[in-house]
Amino acid sequence: KNEVEQSPQNLTAQEGEFITINCSYSVGISALHWLQQHPGGGIVSLFMLSSGKKKHGRLIATINIQEKHSSLHITASHPRDSAVYICAVLETSGSRLTFGEGTQLTVNP
Amino acid sequence: DAGVIQSPRHEVTEMGQEVTLRCKPISGHDYLFWYRQTMMRGLELLIYFNNNVPIDDSGMPEDRFSAKMPNASFSTLKIQPSEPRDSAVYFCASSFQGVVDTIYFGEGSWLTVV
Repeated sequence: KNEVEQSPQNLTAQEGEFITINCSYSVGISALHWLQQHPGGGIVSLFMLSSGKKKHGRLIATINIQEKHSSLHITASHPRDSAVYICAVLETSGSRLTFGEGTQLTVNP
Repeated sequence: DAGVIQSPRHEVTEMGQEVTLRCKPISGHDYLFWYRQTMMRGLELLIYFNNNVPIDDSGMPEDRFSAKMPNASFSTLKIQPSEPRDSAVYFCASSFQGVVDTIYFGEGSWLTVV
């Protein structure tokens, strides 16, 4: 069992739909990152959070430390949101990130 | 700022050859990371530096891999000799305060060893 599990693995949506990607982890953490990887391969950091909720444009990230769970929401999805979304956690006792396997999102026009 | 700059973007080399990947972090960032991404293993940390000093190299696969950071604006990852199983995308990343801070990734170096 991976320490970081994402669901779903693949997600196809129609433009305009509300999207949720989930990340569950089994260890105590001090921080959680959401990353976006576009088809060209480049990786962009979307959020780093340790509690509560953060919002940037159409993207919202939430984390529940007690439940060991985080969600990434995309409102009014657009084809340019098509990418792989990766969750990564920093264990409380560690100094390196553990990555999930990623969620492949495809938004169709 | 131009972001994290990596070179080469793509490299195809023959097994046994030496490969050198280069990285210029964002100016002022104290942390530099080298990650490798493969289909089988996903993203994994190879090594990271703080203020040019290697802190954790436990992810470096074996002695064939080495990394240096001679100054705050340059780092190299070297593979000698290269093997087909080294084929992967190698990402360099930097940040102000390590992994408790936003991490900025380069575009990656796509390595194919034939």
